[in-house]
Amino acid sequence: GAVVSQHPSWVICKSGTSVKIECRSLDFQATTMFWYRQFPKQSLMLMATSNEGSKATYEQGVEKDKFLINHASLTLSTLTVTSAHPEDSSFYICSARPGQGPGLADPSGEQYFGPGTRLTVT
Amino acid sequence: SQKIEQNSEALNIQEGKTATLTCNYTNYSPAYLQWYRQDPGRGPVFLLLIRENEKEKRKERLKVTFDTTLKQSLFHITASQPADSATYLCALRGGGYNKLIFGAGTRLAVHP
Repeated sequence: GAVVSQHPSWVICKSGTSVKIECRSLDFQATTMFWYRQFPKQSLMLMATSNEGSKATYEQGVEKDKFLINHASLTLSTLTVTSAHPEDSSFYICSARPGQGPGLADPSGEQYFGPGTRLTVT
Repeated sequence: SQKIEQNSEALNIQEGKTATLTCNYTNYSPAYLQWYRQDPGRGPVFLLLIRENEKEKRKERLKVTFDTTLKQSLFHITASQPADSATYLCALRGGGYNKLIFGAGTRLAVHP
């Protein structure tokens, strides 16, 4: 159980175009999903927290107009990289936590990660 | 400033030995700490969670300790196998109500 999928697994796009990455929780509902970026041999860096039915919360230094996040349902969040540039090339990973949401007393618990999407901007 | 530090050097060990990986943190007071495994080109996979009031936790060949005084967690793999070769990440809750902050990971290579 607790499977998270991402689509596509890899994408190559030209500079200036936009790319959409989907993250789905396949067998559970996720009020909250997270988007990370990982450069080679570096740690996962949280980009934003995606809340179903509301605006995403972006980490400091992440441009919300460039990285558009939509959490349309309890099982789907999308990340759109707009006007992509070569420096946006990275490994993008989403994660989800089953059933949790803001205001709960004990938010601890593992996150289930998707397999990642390798974005290459040429 | 807040930091999570893991050994940046790869850990090379012989099959059958115990691998021990270290995670140190500063300027955090985490209620729990997690360990993940990441294979190249893949997302992390959750392994273990240990809470601040737990000294040790085990799962099959894995053991995690958590010393809140030393601000350190140790991750052990006993009877290591080549299939255990991967990067291991520690993560703890920092900032927002459920944000995980990750260390850079330690790459483990188990040689037959």
